Amino acid sequence: AQKVTQAQTEISVVEKEDVTLDCVYETRDTTYYLFWYKQPPSGELVFLIRRNSFDEQNEISGRYSWNFQKSTSSFNFTITASQVVDSAVYFCALSEGMTTDSWGKFQFGAGTQVVVTP
Amino acid sequence: EPEVTQTPSHQVTQMGQEVILRCVPISNHLYFYWYRQILGQKVEFLVSFYNNEISEKSEIFDDQFSVERPDGSNFTLKIRSTKLEDSAMYFCASTTSGAFFGQGTRLTVV
Repeated sequence: AQKVTQAQTEISVVEKEDVTLDCVYETRDTTYYLFWYKQPPSGELVFLIRRNSFDEQNEISGRYSWNFQKSTSSFNFTITASQVVDSAVYFCALSEGMTTDSWGKFQFGAGTQVVVTP
Repeated sequence: EPEVTQTPSHQVTQMGQEVILRCVPISNHLYFYWYRQILGQKVEFLVSFYNNEISEKSEIFDDQFSVERPDGSNFTLKIRSTKLEDSAMYFCASTTSGAFFGQGTRLTVV
């Protein structure tokens, strides 16, 4: 069963527009972690943000912000004032359980390709 | 800033050959992982490794795969007899309080 769903396959925007990426997850655990990773064309996975299930406070970090809503099992991610360098595939990931071991076992969504044009 | 290092960055091998992918995790990390990403698809968990043994593995991680930490620093993934469908990007990750991924090894089986 799909545990992390990213329904948007591709989003295309013009530079300076905001981009919101949707992520819906499924878990029976009460303790879990949610992540966003960026994969630029060069292929590496770049860590962006991490949130634990007990912290629903939404924050802004530079041009990035996220909206974590346990009631709807969603963990959406927004890039404000997008730039061409933001063009990449963005993955949402879920890590269940409380042990340190579980921090590394991710279940990734299918990814959303973001294309930012000048 | 410490980082996870993978070598080689790209490897081409003939079907049926053995390959070894290498990873140097961050030095004080205790848990190690391999993930696979077939081109254009999502990243999939292969195996986790702790205290010199496999702690969990996925269905993908069959008898053709093995992992070891031969010298206390390197963490390797061996594929015994490669198949065309093993072509993918392989990521190593290590963690204590968050997972850090290497830059990946692109394996091409021809």
